[in-house]
Amino acid sequence: DVKVTQSSRYLVKRTGEKVFLECVQDMDHENMFWYRQDPGLGLRLIYFSYDVKMKEKGDIPEGYSVSREKKERFSLILESASTNQTSMYLCASSFRTSGRIEQFFGPGTRLTVL
Amino acid sequence: LAKTTQPISMDSYEGQEVNITCSHNNIATNDYITWYQQFPSQGPRFIIQGYKTKVTNEVASLFIPADRKSSTLSLPRVSLSDTAVYYCLVGDGFKAAGNKLTFGGGTRVLVKP
Repeated sequence: DVKVTQSSRYLVKRTGEKVFLECVQDMDHENMFWYRQDPGLGLRLIYFSYDVKMKEKGDIPEGYSVSREKKERFSLILESASTNQTSMYLCASSFRTSGRIEQFFGPGTRLTVL
Repeated sequence: LAKTTQPISMDSYEGQEVNITCSHNNIATNDYITWYQQFPSQGPRFIIQGYKTKVTNEVASLFIPADRKSSTLSLPRVSLSDTAVYYCLVGDGFKAAGNKLTFGGGTRVLVKP
């Protein structure tokens, strides 16, 4: 079974703090993604990566950065957390070109910024 | 990326069939139609994917008309555990960036006893 793990299920941070969210997958997937999910807005793509050290902006990259130094690990960084970044953050991974549009999601990290 | 439109919510009863229709008028030739299911406090989970006509697996069926401008996810004989949010997506899985999927608001399905 594909496993995508995220470093924390719940996280509370203060405004202005630097926040790291870690994601690890064990299926040798090329693609990795970070989404945020807010009530009424569905999932919105923040960043994705299709290879080590490669990244592309998603729909809402402002206020975030990412790092992919190893194939299995994709980190989301909030340089200076703000209250409007309080959300559920979901990481996902997939094969790059399998034809099957199947992303495997982690359990999510619920981040609260005070 | 093709935009999708689906109902916000739908109620059903145990044992009934649930059909959720998704509209995707500007679907591209190479796009596939994919459905995900999400339970509270979990990430979405792949249910089914199709290109045209009908696809069936152990969980659901997907009906796609010839013009591919819409699709219908069919959940046979639902149970309480099928209460979830269901997302319709379109995209080209053969492109590296085709996996850049856009999840809309989804359809919240509530199955009642």
